[in-house]
This record gives sequence, structure tokens and C-alpha cells, in this order.
Amino acid sequence: RKEVEQDPGPFNVPEGATVAFNCTYSNSASQSFFWYRQDCRKEPKLLMSVYSSGNEDGRFTAQLNRASQYISLLIRDSKLSDSATYLCAVKNSGGYQKVTFGTGTKLQVIP
Amino acid sequence: NAGVMQNPRHLVRRRGQEARLRCSPMKGHSHVYWYRQLPEEGLKFMVYLQKENIIDESGMPKERFSAEFPKEGPSILRIQQVVRGDSAAYFCASSPYEGMSSNEQFFGPGTRLTVL
Repeated sequence: RKEVEQDPGPFNVPEGATVAFNCTYSNSASQSFFWYRQDCRKEPKLLMSVYSSGNEDGRFTAQLNRASQYISLLIRDSKLSDSATYLCAVKNSGGYQKVTFGTGTKLQVIP
Repeated sequence: NAGVMQNPRHLVRRRGQEARLRCSPMKGHSHVYWYRQLPEEGLKFMVYLQKENIIDESGMPKERFSAEFPKEGPSILRIQQVVRGDSAAYFCASSPYEGMSSNEQFFGPGTRLTVL
């Protein structure tokens, strides 16, 4: 089983729709969780960290479910500019900051 | 505050040549990570370095690949005797001194290596 798994998609959604991605992780001792956004042929950029209590940033909501070992990203009122690949990242417990990335979920928002 | 810098942005090599990729972390960052991304695939961890130390190289191929982060100057990822399968985007990321709670990694723009 992969350490971090994501549905590769693509998710094709109309503008204005709500879309949600999940990301599962295998190490129950994982400590920190992140969502990154990667545009085509660009570097990943941090979208948001995921806190135990869940967190919201505008149209984006991230949640953590430790019992089921997954994190989620919800995008409301999708914009064309949200089209990108969304990578989840998990920092494992231990002595240093190794972060494992999922392969990403591709989102295409269509007019 | 300049971000993570990588050069060159694009590198073309013929099979058998050497490729040297450079990464300058953000100011004040002492942790550097190298990742490889093949077309349509995710980021694969290669190596984690601190100044003058390799902390984790579990993602590095055993042969032809090496990395360093000297006391002065950028981190270097070196690929000897490149093969076509080495063609990929190589991203470098840096993070602050350990102890920062967020542990966020900041990525450079990447080097796209093409092996002919």
C-alpha cells in the first residue's frame, strides 16, 4: 500500500460547482498534513495546512480524519482558475521533516 | 526575500553526459529536499540534506546519482552518465530550521532535464 494515495482524476466540474478530494495515508503516526496546488509545468505551491480541527480559507476547506486516516479538500463555487493538480502531503513522525506527497488529483473546471 | 532558486531551468544532455542541477534555498533555510517528477506522475522524494550532511537519501537511485549541500553555495544534484529515463522535472524545496511548527516546504521552479 502506498504511503499516501489520491484519486488521480481528472475531476471535470462546471463553474460554480462544489468538489471534494480525499487523500488517504497509511502511517497512523503521521503528524502534519498539507494540500499543495500544482499548475501545469510549474512547481507545487502550498494551498493550506490541515489542522486537526479543520480549517477554512475562503472557498477552500480542509479537514483531517485521523480515525480513518484521510484528509480532504473541499472547493466551493469552483472557478476556472481552480483548474490544477492538487497534491496532498503528509509529514511522518520521526526525527526529521520528511514529507511524502501523493500523486495528485487533477481538477478541470469547465465553463 | 527571494524564493528558492534553481538553475538551469531547462537542461538538455545526450546519453552518457553528466547533468548538474543547482538549488539555492530561501534565505535562512537550512533544509533542502530534492524531488523528481516524471510526466503525469507525482513528486518522488529523492534526498534530504542539511548543510554538509545527507540526512536521508532513501529515494536516490544507488548508482549515478549524488547530492551535496556544502557549507557555502547551492545544493547540487549530480547525475552521471544520464540515460533517457532520467528525463524529468527535478524540484528542489527548502524549509526553515527544524522546530518551526508548520514544516512547510517551499519549492523552486524546477529544472526540466531532457536526455536525447
